[in-house]
Amino acid sequence: AQSVAQPEDQVNVAEGNPLTVKCTYSVSGNPYLFWYVQYPNRGLQFLLKYITGDNLVKGSYGFEAEFNKSQTSFHLKKPSALVSDSALYFCAVPSYGNNRLAFGKGNQVVVIP
Amino acid sequence: EPEVTQTPSHQVTQMGQEVILRCVPISNHLYFYWYRQILGQKVEFLVSFYNNEISEKSEIFDDQFSVERPDGSNFTLKIRSTKLEDSAMYFCASSGLASENNEQFFGPGTRLTVL
Repeated sequence: AQSVAQPEDQVNVAEGNPLTVKCTYSVSGNPYLFWYVQYPNRGLQFLLKYITGDNLVKGSYGFEAEFNKSQTSFHLKKPSALVSDSALYFCAVPSYGNNRLAFGKGNQVVVIP
Repeated sequence: EPEVTQTPSHQVTQMGQEVILRCVPISNHLYFYWYRQILGQKVEFLVSFYNNEISEKSEIFDDQFSVERPDGSNFTLKIRSTKLEDSAMYFCASSGLASENNEQFFGPGTRLTVL
């Protein structure tokens, strides 16, 4: 089954520093990969996706993610974190042959002023 | 920007009672989904719906659950006889296409508390 793993529980980063949220995947065939963010008391918001092509994908709010086939990773990055980036981040992959999303456990990001 | 809406934001019910969670998907979307997130756990897929029928459901979606699109705008999830373990945040989502590479748009969720 298609799955993703987010190895860390919480990521703490100082404001202005680079932010990385890790995700590894296990899929058959070519992967489609997504990142979503959940702000407090809000629903999941789509950030970006990888389908094919350029391994560096740019998304909303200055986020980007790098698809690395050899490491089966799709880490989310932001060059300079803001306090407002503090939220829960989910990596997700659709199941093969349908579009049910399988989510990672989520990473709590805390940006320290 | 169009968005998915859900009502109520919080529902408290007694065990054994029926609840209906409501969602208004994005207006031109054709595919609809329910997910749930038990506190501290992963977001889990429940069911997908297209063309007035269930297209896929997970093992969680047993006979206690049902979905309906009663009119052109609402999409509902009914839990017939709630159990304590049904307490969770329930998210509705919609997408314009069914392809695997198409993102789903999520509502803010309904927090269901079963006492």
